[in-house]
Amino acid sequence: DADVTQTPRNRITKTGKRIMLECSQTKGHDRMYWYRQDPGLGLRLIYYSFDVKDINKGEISDGYSVSRQAQAKFSLSLESAIPNQTALYFCATHWTGFNEQYFGPGTRLTVT
Amino acid sequence: SQQGEEDPQALSIQEGENATMNCSYKTSINNLQWYRQNSGRGLVHLILIRSNEREKHSGRLRVTLDTSKKSSSLLITASRAADTASYFCATSNFGNEKLTFGTGTRLTIIP
Repeated sequence: DADVTQTPRNRITKTGKRIMLECSQTKGHDRMYWYRQDPGLGLRLIYYSFDVKDINKGEISDGYSVSRQAQAKFSLSLESAIPNQTALYFCATHWTGFNEQYFGPGTRLTVT
Repeated sequence: SQQGEEDPQALSIQEGENATMNCSYKTSINNLQWYRQNSGRGLVHLILIRSNEREKHSGRLRVTLDTSKKSSSLLITASRAADTASYFCATSNFGNEKLTFGTGTRLTIIP
């Protein structure tokens, strides 16, 4: 089984809808991240969490919210989706003090 | 904002040749990492080099770091078709383990 899983893998939604992307990990890592990837722009950090009670904004948090339900689960919500949130979304984890991040397979989100 | 920029944006070489891609960054770093991404998939960590290191090897990979020029290079020797992917550098600053990614180099290996 994959160490970092994301659901759904693909999603098409309409403008104005609320949508939640979920991430689960079995690696026991304390730190979790949400990134979005747009063509030609690399990955940009949306939110990150260093433990269950710690949530921090990244460079592009507007329009997004997150919830760290447990050490193993970190969800990303789009409260009212808009077309420019169409992108590939990745969850990643790592253990404090070890810089290598482990990525999930990604969620391709299309907002029409 | 992007910390790193990779150069070139795209690279096509024949199988068996060496591939070199470069990364430049803007601020002081704690370490620099390289990741590979196969089309539409998650990133996979390749190698990490710390700010006090100048060169590191892992299998067919060789990474150099020049902190005075704020640049790094990734060399893949004896390329294979399976090396076809996008490669990203990512930097981590002191006291902050967040990663800032570059824009990536798309590498195509021609069989």
